[in-house]
Amino acid sequence: NAGVTQTPKFRVLKTGQSMTLLCAQDMNHEYMYWYRQDPGMGLRLIHYSVGEGTTAKGEVPDGYNVSRLKKQNFLLGLESAAPSQTSVYFCASSPASSTDTQYFGPGTRLTVL
Amino acid sequence: KQEVTQIPAALSVPEGENLVLNCSFTDSAIYNLQWFRQDPGKGLTSLLLIQSSQREQTSGRLNASLDKSSGRSTLYIAASQPGDSATYLCAVEIPNSGYALNFGKGTSLLVTP
Repeated sequence: NAGVTQTPKFRVLKTGQSMTLLCAQDMNHEYMYWYRQDPGMGLRLIHYSVGEGTTAKGEVPDGYNVSRLKKQNFLLGLESAAPSQTSVYFCASSPASSTDTQYFGPGTRLTVL
Repeated sequence: KQEVTQIPAALSVPEGENLVLNCSFTDSAIYNLQWFRQDPGKGLTSLLLIQSSQREQTSGRLNASLDKSSGRSTLYIAASQPGDSATYLCAVEIPNSGYALNFGKGTSLLVTP
């Protein structure tokens, strides 16, 4: 099993450009999450999904959109990138159970100039 | 909003020492608490998950305790090794958010040979 994979690993954007980050998991997990990690801020929840076709906002959703068209994939979109969105983005997945942990991808390092 | 604080922010110890990492949270009505490890440039790896009804969990040289009444958790690492050098993150479950997590900023641990 590959676990949780993220594409791309690195990306540099100019302000105003758009892009989509792809997260894929092969563990048949129901729940998926997008977090961002910034120096001195810790990880913060952007959006999450509790099943195919469902999404919900987290702590810092502004400027991002998400889609979960297939159970194994969770896409994070930036419609008009801003320098404040420079961050490392982590995707995670978990079974629909409170006794199971989350499994994290390796991260995507995004720089917006 | 639940605040999660980790002290110290950084710690350096010689190999072989036993050490304790601290995590505190403001709302004692938590569900689960987890400890993760993050290596530089990598994703997060789950170490221990403590359910709200539990007092502690153990895995190898790691022992995590939970005291909900005082709003504290500790991660005890026995006989530290250079390979334990990493950032350790504490996280509590966000209510009604599909088991999404609220993270502390982490403790950066360096174990010197």
